[in-house]
Amino acid sequence: EDKVVQSPLSLVVHEGDTVTLNCSYEVTNFRSLLWYKQEKKAPTFLFMLTSSGIEKKSGRLSSILDKKELSSILNITATQTGDSAIYLCAVFTRDDKIIFGKGTRLHILP
Amino acid sequence: EAQVTQNPRYLITVTGKKLTVTCSQNMNHEYMSWYRQDPGLGLRQIYYSMNVEVTDKGDVPEGYKVSRKEKRNFPLILESPSPNQTSLYFCASRDRGTYGYTFGSGTRLTVV
Repeated sequence: EDKVVQSPLSLVVHEGDTVTLNCSYEVTNFRSLLWYKQEKKAPTFLFMLTSSGIEKKSGRLSSILDKKELSSILNITATQTGDSAIYLCAVFTRDDKIIFGKGTRLHILP
Repeated sequence: EAQVTQNPRYLITVTGKKLTVTCSQNMNHEYMSWYRQDPGLGLRQIYYSMNVEVTDKGDVPEGYKVSRKEKRNFPLILESPSPNQTSLYFCASRDRGTYGYTFGSGTRLTVV
């Protein structure tokens, strides 16, 4: 059965810290890996990763995919209270399905 | 503004009373999908649609129906809601060839 596992489930850090969120997957028809940020309501799209080893970057957020290890990490540097959210990892398959992980709940203390 | 609109935002209903949650997108997207989100279980796909009149089951379709008569609308129907369908529901859409879904704001459903 296809699955996406995120760790940790929950994380509390102080403002200014750097955090690394993990996502591993076991899917039969991998196409791409997606990261979303969910604040109060709807998830919003952050990154899509298709090729191994190529870092995607947006401001203080960056992500990289390791196809050999079937995993991805999402890094957030110099965290701010506005980074507090649930971060969702999802895998998009070649038969057009998206499988979500359960998310990492990140809380940034001022 | 490009968006996915769900209604209602909040709904409390009684067991067995049929309800419909509407979803509409203004981006001419081909793909639409319904998810439910529960604590500890993450987002789980209920149904999805690849185009008008083309729908398929996701991971948790039991107790739900959908229809796709027009490209922009994808309503979720609960014929006989039960308390285990109490959840936060999201509708999402994307275009062919793109992978990032645009999500609606969510519908929090409570069945008592």
